[in-house]
Amino acid sequence: GQQLNQSPQSMFIQEGEDVSMNCTSSSIFNTWLWYKQDPGEGPVLLIALYKAGELTSNGRLTAQFGITRKDSFLNISASIPSDVGIYFCAGQLEAAGNKLTFGGGTRVLVKP
Amino acid sequence: DGGITQSPKYLFRKEGQNVTLSCEQNLNHDAMYWYRQDPGQGLRLIYYSQIVNDFQKGDIAEGYSVSREKKESFPLTVTSAQKNPTAFYLCASSGGLAGPSYEQYFGPGTRLTVT
Repeated sequence: GQQLNQSPQSMFIQEGEDVSMNCTSSSIFNTWLWYKQDPGEGPVLLIALYKAGELTSNGRLTAQFGITRKDSFLNISASIPSDVGIYFCAGQLEAAGNKLTFGGGTRVLVKP
Repeated sequence: DGGITQSPKYLFRKEGQNVTLSCEQNLNHDAMYWYRQDPGQGLRLIYYSQIVNDFQKGDIAEGYSVSREKKESFPLTVTSAQKNPTAFYLCASSGGLAGPSYEQYFGPGTRLTVT
């Protein structure tokens, strides 16, 4: 099936830092979504992007829909301990109807 | 409160037994989905349903079955034919009058352990 390459696979954050993660694909997507999953819970929708070039914020989170429609970025500013979790990107292909393709996730951990 | 419920949170079964996972939503969403998540992995689509009495296979449907007799409910049966059933199962829903059809909202998940 279609692949979404999400990077980095994991990262350590220190309180107050800004962090970034991204998703790339060889396919063109119509919609990009970003989710956060806490351990043992279901993913929670953070941001939805619908237009190429769109930049959307949700509190300290900012996501962008890449101009080529093949990538998306998520930034977390001034990170805090509760930002720890797994962040997933998901994309919707034009031919796929309502189905989403998910990236493998970026695991965000706190620096010891 | 509007949302998606999955029960139970934890489920234990012996190998060779079929087991049914429950998913209910009161968001008035048209579409519902089942995903499987293995440790350290992303989400893989098992089955989805766009409308009552209709459903389609996802990427890993073998060993699973579903039904969609009511808009609110989309139960998943893990059959004995599923070779590696131990996993975290997530149900999601989207669409209808409630909002854009691409924004999927997830339940809390059911962790199934088969020994």
